[in-house]
Amino acid sequence: AQRVTQPEKLLSVFKGAPVELKCNYSYSGSPELFWYVQYSRQRLQLLLRHISRESIKGFTADLNKGETSFHLKKPFAQEEDSAMYYCALSGHAGGTSYGKLTFGQGTILTVHP
Amino acid sequence: DGGITQSPKYLFRKEGQNVTLSCEQNLNHDAMYWYRQDPGQGLRLIYYSQIVNDFQKGDIAEGYSVSREKKESFPLTVTSAQKNPTAFYLCASSFGEGGHEQYFGPGTRLTVT
Repeated sequence: AQRVTQPEKLLSVFKGAPVELKCNYSYSGSPELFWYVQYSRQRLQLLLRHISRESIKGFTADLNKGETSFHLKKPFAQEEDSAMYYCALSGHAGGTSYGKLTFGQGTILTVHP
Repeated sequence: DGGITQSPKYLFRKEGQNVTLSCEQNLNHDAMYWYRQDPGQGLRLIYYSQIVNDFQKGDIAEGYSVSREKKESFPLTVTSAQKNPTAFYLCASSFGEGGHEQYFGPGTRLTVT
């Protein structure tokens, strides 16, 4: 079974402060990890995926297989980063990857001016 | 704003009635998904379909049914057997293989009284 845990329901920081949204996963195979974001009155959308190793909007996330974590980080938070963030996992089996995702519970990030 | 659409945005039903939520996509995606979003529980997968005329149960399929007669369409029926149908329902689509981005619709908020 695969599971994704986001331990913080709410996270508040001030503008310019570093932010880290935690994500831990449980999966016996080789996972693919994602961060999705939902801004106010907008659709849920992909922010980044571990396989791309890219930085989007200043956010980065590194897959740590030893700690089974995929924390999302940004060195200097901005007010426009305020949103709901979901960590998600896609599993593999028999060399084929499945499209379906398992989502965490979500973290609401609020960046204060 | 095409891509993936859901209708209606708000839906009200009396207890004991079945109701069907619409999901259409023009992205030529093979895979489509239905999620339920509840506060504090994240997104939970109801049903998914990786190809026309085929679909699989997700984590919380009880009380729901789907069909996939066309590539573009994946309607969800919330039956009277669903114990807690009031929720926000999200439809998504992707190219099917794992690691591909899922594109989400705007959602339908269903209220059953």
